Amino acid sequence: EVQLLESGGALVRPGGSLRLSCAASGFTFSDYSMTWVRQAPGKGLEWVSIITGSGGDTYYGDSVKGRFTISRDNSKNTLYLQMNSLRVEDTALYYCAKGSGGHGCFDYWGQGTLVTVSS
Amino acid sequence: SALTQPASVSGSPGQSITISCTGTSSDVGSYNLVSWYQQHPGKAPKLMIYEVSKRPSGVSNRFSGSKSGNTASLTISGLQAEDEADYYCCSHADSSTWVFGGGTKLTVL
Repeated sequence: EVQLLESGGALVRPGGSLRLSCAASGFTFSDYSMTWVRQAPGKGLEWVSIITGSGGDTYYGDSVKGRFTISRDNSKNTLYLQMNSLRVEDTALYYCAKGSGGHGCFDYWGQGTLVTVSS
Repeated sequence: SALTQPASVSGSPGQSITISCTGTSSDVGSYNLVSWYQQHPGKAPKLMIYEVSKRPSGVSNRFSGSKSGNTASLTISGLQAEDEADYYCCSHADSSTWVFGGGTKLTVL
């Protein structure tokens, strides 16, 4: 059974940093791309970033480019999101999701971890 | 820019509804990698449709997808109370990025 468990969400001041983690199990982690998607309170889904299975390629949404860094440790089956220069508008529930292996979608999602940026 | 979806749609049990998802030639129009997600309140999104019209194992055949030009659509037939949820489209886009729609709230009357 595929399981994704996010952690690391917290209350942080504007300009601060935070690292989110997503522990994966139930599939061969290194075979699949992984993505972060966020959802601000009461709002829709926003794609944040994606990383290929090997970790060799990463891509970002315009709103986080240059501030966030996605990475993975395939030996630990864990995905990360390093968030720097946080802004109030980064406040959201952050989901990690598994890529579907070339089918152009995200087939399994975690339950999310809440990041609140406030002074 | 986010894909454009109607903010809300509604239908009675047993009826059919269609949710549209309009993008551009940089996303929906150029890639057959449109997916749809169902999200119930307080829950994580669930994949309902991928590659425009394919259903994952376990998803009811009452859910179907299509695409024409820059617009994709999700149709739910035989509406049931449990279908009441938010629905989001998602498309692969240029520069290996992804974009979601703004979401549509489905109300089953």
